[in-house]
Amino acid sequence: DAKTTQPPSMDCAEGRAANLPCNHSTISGNEYVYWYRQIHSQGPQYIIHGLKNNETNEMASLIITEDRKSSTLILPHATLRDTAVYYCIAISSNTGKLIFGQGTTLQVKP
Amino acid sequence: DTGVSQDPRHKITKRGQNVTFRCDPISEHNRLYWYRQTLGQGPEFLTYFQNEAQLEKSRLLSDRFSAERPKGSFSTLEIQRTEQGDSAMYLCASSLLSQQETQYFGPGTRLLVL
Repeated sequence: DAKTTQPPSMDCAEGRAANLPCNHSTISGNEYVYWYRQIHSQGPQYIIHGLKNNETNEMASLIITEDRKSSTLILPHATLRDTAVYYCIAISSNTGKLIFGQGTTLQVKP
Repeated sequence: DTGVSQDPRHKITKRGQNVTFRCDPISEHNRLYWYRQTLGQGPEFLTYFQNEAQLEKSRLLSDRFSAERPKGSFSTLEIQRTEQGDSAMYLCASSLLSQQETQYFGPGTRLLVL
């Protein structure tokens, strides 16, 4: 599975969009990009995933560059409850074994 | 709410004692996973089951660790002769076979070995 690189921490003002980058320059053609987050003292929570096309759901949007070497998770209107560690994972389909890095600690500030 | 549940939520034990954790997955999920998370790190994969079959074990899972899923429903993770280095959060997750990377995690069991 491709290695991912994320900034260790980011701040965002409440109500503003939070844009969390992820670099996965060695991603292969059959690897998806998954995003999870972990709020303090809870288990990780699935957010969104994509292969090539941009994706949007009720939680977030995922923008994947055309060369697929990087992606951005967008929380359109961050709230204090979005304060968490966000993990970007590049993984082949039907592998099942998630490999978490250090993630990005997002602090949403009032 | 019919999410993944884990019991107990917290466990304090003395070094050398055995401990057992339980995970109840989402009922229709075939896959069940165990992860371990130490402070400041992301979760690390330990093992997973497809129904009652244990299909993969990480090298992190020493001989002191054993996991079961006897009827393909709930699972248990036992640690024998606990060591201080076993102190961690033990997370369970489940998924559908067709969506293995979309995993639903429980709240975890936090183990402290004194």
